[in-house]
Amino acid sequence: SQQGEEDPQALSIQEGENATMNCSYKTSINNLQWYRQNSGRGLVHLILIRSNEREKHSGRLRVTLDTSKKSSSLLITASRAADTASYFCATAFAYSGNTGKLIFGQGTTLQVKP
Amino acid sequence: NAGVTQTPKFQVLKTGQSMTLQCAQDMNHEYMSWYRQDPGMGLRLIHYSVGAGITDQGEVPNGYNVSRSTTEDFPLRLLSAAPSQTSVYFCASSPGLAGRLAKNIQYFGAGTRLSVL
Repeated sequence: SQQGEEDPQALSIQEGENATMNCSYKTSINNLQWYRQNSGRGLVHLILIRSNEREKHSGRLRVTLDTSKKSSSLLITASRAADTASYFCATAFAYSGNTGKLIFGQGTTLQVKP
Repeated sequence: NAGVTQTPKFQVLKTGQSMTLQCAQDMNHEYMSWYRQDPGMGLRLIHYSVGAGITDQGEVPNGYNVSRSTTEDFPLRLLSAAPSQTSVYFCASSPGLAGRLAKNIQYFGAGTRLSVL
């Protein structure tokens, strides 16, 4: 089964509002990453948070990580129509033999209405 | 800088045909991987490679073969295509060396859209 489970599966908001997406995982991780996918395109890396970090910011993005609850959230503030995309969390397992494998969640589809 | 290049972009196959999806990266990344993306299923890992000559299975390897003869190329072979392999296929690469796991950001190609009739 997949490592990451995302919630909600779909989210529709008005431009200017904040969007929050959640990701839960099952096993210990080294890091958790968020990716974005525009329709018909490949995924693009947004932000990485390590297991010893609790919060990270990048522009209008804020990611939190709670390793005790095995969950993460991605907050996009002051959303724009251009933020319309699917967002995926991906986890890197914390084992010594892991040289880069990521397991992706099912994604959240965000629609930002102008 | 081309990044990760996948060819072809689109392909239609008949059941039982074989084909190879090509993936090349010019970033000297050691780690490369193949995913398939189906509606509602997210991305599922098919095969991955941690360096030339080394490959391993992911979550859904059946019906697919890979090889890694060079650092740059990581082709995915469909041995005998089935309708269940209709999907969008993504190749990705990452620096991902042991000890640098915290930098294993993946760079994706644009995808290959495959239909098996």
